Amino acid sequence: GAVVSQHPSRVICKSGTSVKIECRSLDFQATTMFWYRQFPKQSLMLMATSNEGSKATYEQGVEKDKFLINHASLTLSTLTVTSAHPEDSSFYICSARDPGVRSYTFGSGTRLTVV
Amino acid sequence: GENVEQHPSTLSVQEGDSAVIKCTYSDSASNYFPWYKQELGKGSQLIIDIRSNVGEKKDQRIAVTLNKTAKHFSLHITETQPEDSAVYFCAASSPSNFGNEKLTFGTGTRLTIIP
Repeated sequence: GAVVSQHPSRVICKSGTSVKIECRSLDFQATTMFWYRQFPKQSLMLMATSNEGSKATYEQGVEKDKFLINHASLTLSTLTVTSAHPEDSSFYICSARDPGVRSYTFGSGTRLTVV
Repeated sequence: GENVEQHPSTLSVQEGDSAVIKCTYSDSASNYFPWYKQELGKGSQLIIDIRSNVGEKKDQRIAVTLNKTAKHFSLHITETQPEDSAVYFCAASSPSNFGNEKLTFGTGTRLTIIP
């Protein structure tokens, strides 16, 4: 089945630094990838939709300058948390849609801790 | 936009018994309803999905039912096993304003199987 690889799985960074998270579709091409954020004991909240070759579309309330998304190829999307603050600490998960079967496959997630 | 409600938030079931998780959605245009299993610290894994043109789908011990009129769908797990313990999320897919389908998730159900 479709596999989505997400790295890193855990990252700790200092306040003010930037962190990049990668999401790769391993055996299919994904024109669209999705980035979610999950707080403890809460559901996945869609942050933005990443479109290959064009600008990402952000959900209401998500700062596009804070969460930079780049989808430069059909198999890779990156999320960069810029000037991270402790309140950005969360579990970030990417998802890609396999157009062949119209299903959504999730990465294993990245736990970000900003200290 | 779409709103998905999920119940119960926690569920404890004796091993071997059945578990049922229910979700309701608000957007009648939603046409795809996946269920995801999330284990601690991991990304979400698709376990079963159903499209709006069918009322029931089964895969071994897991089944999903959909009532389009009432706008609710349910996950049924029979002969539960300890490895079924996880958080389960339902989701509904509806076209977004940008023409990309996006998933709206329920708030999750923590299922605990008691040996």
